Amino acid sequence: EVQLVESGGALIQPGGSLRLSCAASGFTVSNSYMSWVRQAPGKGLEWVSIIYSGGSTYYADSVKGRFTISRDNSKNTLFLQMNSLRVEDTAVYYCVRGARYPGVCVDWGRGTLVTVSS
Amino acid sequence: DIQMTQSPSSLSASVGDRVTITCRASQGISNSLAWYQQKPGKAPELLLYAASILESWVPSRFSGSGSGTDYTLTISSLQPEDFATYYCQQYYSIVSTFGQGTKVEIK
Repeated sequence: EVQLVESGGALIQPGGSLRLSCAASGFTVSNSYMSWVRQAPGKGLEWVSIIYSGGSTYYADSVKGRFTISRDNSKNTLFLQMNSLRVEDTAVYYCVRGARYPGVCVDWGRGTLVTVSS
Repeated sequence: DIQMTQSPSSLSASVGDRVTITCRASQGISNSLAWYQQKPGKAPELLLYAASILESWVPSRFSGSGSGTDYTLTISSLQPEDFATYYCQQYYSIVSTFGQGTKVEIK
């Protein structure tokens, strides 16, 4: 059974940094398309980033240059390093396993809340 | 980036009604479209991908269609468990994008 468990969400001041983790089980992260999708309170879904099995990474314009997606194959864990955080980055961040086609979000974690506020 | 526009943003319907949600892309996406269902307080769940292929758990009252820039999600006979918010997503571009969502409420 696929499981994705996010952690690392917190209340952080604007300009700060945070690293989110996603512990995966039931499959191998390094063999999968892995993404982060976020949802601001009461708002819709926003695609954030993807890492391909080959290691290529891509980002939404809203986070490019500030966020970095990565993985630790030995720990079967996905990360999202978030720097220069802004109030508008406040959201629940979901870890997602892709399958069927690159970018199709098949399995989702429960999410972790990041609140950026002074 | 490819923009995805869903309509309507919300609708009220009764159990048994036929419901159609539309998603329009700002450029052609060659059926690279997925639909998700999200219930309050829960993570989204994948309903369909490639515009019309249902996930195994999805009841046959759900269907998807479309081509080019215009796509639809249809629920042939709305059931109580279908009241939720639905999102489309294009994955034609490496930088994926979601529609703004359609909330289906009970009339």
